[in-house]
Amino acid sequence: KQEVTQIPAALSVPEGENLVLNCSFTDSAIYNLQWFRQDPGKGLTSLLLIQSSQREQTSGRLNASLDKSSGRSTLYIAASQPGDSATYLCAVRPPGANSKLTFGKGITLSVRP
Amino acid sequence: EPEVTQTPSHQVTQMGQEVILRCVPISNHLYFYWYRQILGQKVEFLVSFYNNEISEKSEIFDDQFSVERPDGSNFTLKIRSTKLEDSAMYFCASLGQGMNTEAFFGQGTRLTVV
Repeated sequence: KQEVTQIPAALSVPEGENLVLNCSFTDSAIYNLQWFRQDPGKGLTSLLLIQSSQREQTSGRLNASLDKSSGRSTLYIAASQPGDSATYLCAVRPPGANSKLTFGKGITLSVRP
Repeated sequence: EPEVTQTPSHQVTQMGQEVILRCVPISNHLYFYWYRQILGQKVEFLVSFYNNEISEKSEIFDDQFSVERPDGSNFTLKIRSTKLEDSAMYFCASLGQGMNTEAFFGQGTRLTVV
């Protein structure tokens, strides 16, 4: 059974800092991995999708990497801003046309002005 | 940008009552899902739906739950007799075909059972 872990549960950084959020998963047989952002009480906004054959994916100040064999992904946020404060979740999808996502519990990021 | 729409955004219901949560997935997507998130916990899978039938369901998705796509656009989750522990945020998601497609989630329905 796939388990996804995100540690630490919470992180507080000063504005402008570059930071890395970690995600690990137990079963390396994945189709892809997706990073989401969730604001308090709100829905899930997809940030980046990284396929199992890819090593990296970039969107603006965000960069996601994937090391499938070791079961790890990182989300790098450059030059953090207070508006980046949110919970960041990673989710993995196993092979299969309509397979389900397995989520980590998320990392709650607070960027201090 | 295409989006998944869920209604209502918040529903309060009495224990034992039936509720129907509604979702309009992205129009050309084929696979549909319901997930839920109890406050402070992980987002967890409930059920997947394809070609007008359930593809997979979790152990949470017992006989109190049902899904249907009555008119080719709406996708609904029905809870027949709500319990206090059904209080959660319920998310609908849809997925297109292929490995490169990302799952799109709705903004969720916050269900409060009192």
